[in-house]
Amino acid sequence: EDQVTQSPEALRLQEGESSSLNCSYTVSGLRGLFWYRQDPGKGPEFLFTLYSAGEEKEKERLKATLTKKESFLHITAPKPEDSATYLCAVWMDSSYKLIFGSGTRLLVRP
Amino acid sequence: DTGVSQNPRHKITKRGQNVTFRCDPISEHNRLYWYRQTLGQGPEFLTYFQNEAQLEKSRLLSDRFSAERPKGSFSTLEIQRTEQGDSAMYLCASSIWAGEGGNQPQHFGDGTRLSIL
Repeated sequence: EDQVTQSPEALRLQEGESSSLNCSYTVSGLRGLFWYRQDPGKGPEFLFTLYSAGEEKEKERLKATLTKKESFLHITAPKPEDSATYLCAVWMDSSYKLIFGSGTRLLVRP
Repeated sequence: DTGVSQNPRHKITKRGQNVTFRCDPISEHNRLYWYRQTLGQGPEFLTYFQNEAQLEKSRLLSDRFSAERPKGSFSTLEIQRTEQGDSAMYLCASSIWAGEGGNQPQHFGDGTRLSIL
């Protein structure tokens, strides 16, 4: 069964303390992997798309990487405004519907 | 603002009532998706449209749920005879589909939060 698993469920960091979030997937024929950020009461906000193993994308303090089995979202020197839930999702078949993980809730303390 | 717009933002209703939500996608986007999200979980796919055609429905979408996208523009999601388990955030997303290899990321609205009393 196609599945997306994110870890850890929650992460608390001090401002400036770098870390990584993990997204592992078991999908036949990956067409794309996405990272979204979601703030409370809001919809997911698109961050990155990764299509093939070895690909990397960067945006400010965030860097996403992809292997054949998992993706990492690296957060370098985070700030309190980076606090949010980070969702990983994969594209499924020709419908291109998204299959999401349960997310990682990140809290960055000042 | 040219993002995905959803209305209402919040809906509180009594069990057994019917509710309807509206989604206005980004204007040039030909694909529109509906998802449902419960607390602590990621969004789950419900259904999607390409232009005005509804191409797939999840098994989560019982016969009490119906969705339309007349003229390939806005979409509505209706829930009849609401139940407690329908309480969730209903999210709409849109994207440009330009054939295999030409699909674009989905952009989400801020959702409609449904509470069943």
